[in-house]
Amino acid sequence: AQKITQTQPGMFVQEKEAVTLDCTYDTSDQSYGLFWYKQPSSGEMIFLIYQGSYDEQNATEGRYSLNFQKARKSANLVISASQLGDSAMYFCAMRGWATSGSRLTFGEGTQLTVNP
Amino acid sequence: EAQVTQNPRYLITVTGKKLTVTCSQNMNHEYMSWYRQDPGLGLRQIYYSMNVEVTDKGDVPEGYKVSRKEKRNFPLILESPSPNQTSLYFCASSLGLAIHNEQFFGPGTRLTVL
Repeated sequence: AQKITQTQPGMFVQEKEAVTLDCTYDTSDQSYGLFWYKQPSSGEMIFLIYQGSYDEQNATEGRYSLNFQKARKSANLVISASQLGDSAMYFCAMRGWATSGSRLTFGEGTQLTVNP
Repeated sequence: EAQVTQNPRYLITVTGKKLTVTCSQNMNHEYMSWYRQDPGLGLRQIYYSMNVEVTDKGDVPEGYKVSRKEKRNFPLILESPSPNQTSLYFCASSLGLAIHNEQFFGPGTRLTVL
């Protein structure tokens, strides 16, 4: 079984500042992938960034980076230079090789609010 | 444009009235899946399909049915909806089962069962 925990139900950040959204995971799989998705108020799920468990470098995509600490089983999302449009719900998710259905297991989400 | 489409986007129905939510993808993906999203619970998988005529249960399959007769379509069927199936539903597809295969999500269907 695999589990994702996001301990921050809500986060606030000032525009142009950086923010870190926490994600810890638990799995017995040796090979797995970690994903972050953004869900704006309109409801769609937008893929942000991916990190493989064997990737040695932390993933980066524009203003998004993933702070992957395998020994601590954490995969925090860092958003640099926050913008008002970053206000949304953010989900951390995991996909394991041995997990039935190759499904994404999601955390509870973190609601990020960017203040002007 | 590569996309996953769902219909309807919004639906209000009554207990016991059978309904189908359609899902279609134009990316020739093998893997398709249905999730439901509920506050405080994130998204949970209902059913998935690895290919045509191959479907299996996810974490919360009770009260739902699916079929995969064509590669592009993966409808979700609620034979006798109940109020606890009020939720936001997402269809997703990916190229295959590989861990790094990104899952592309449809726009979501907001279902209310009275």
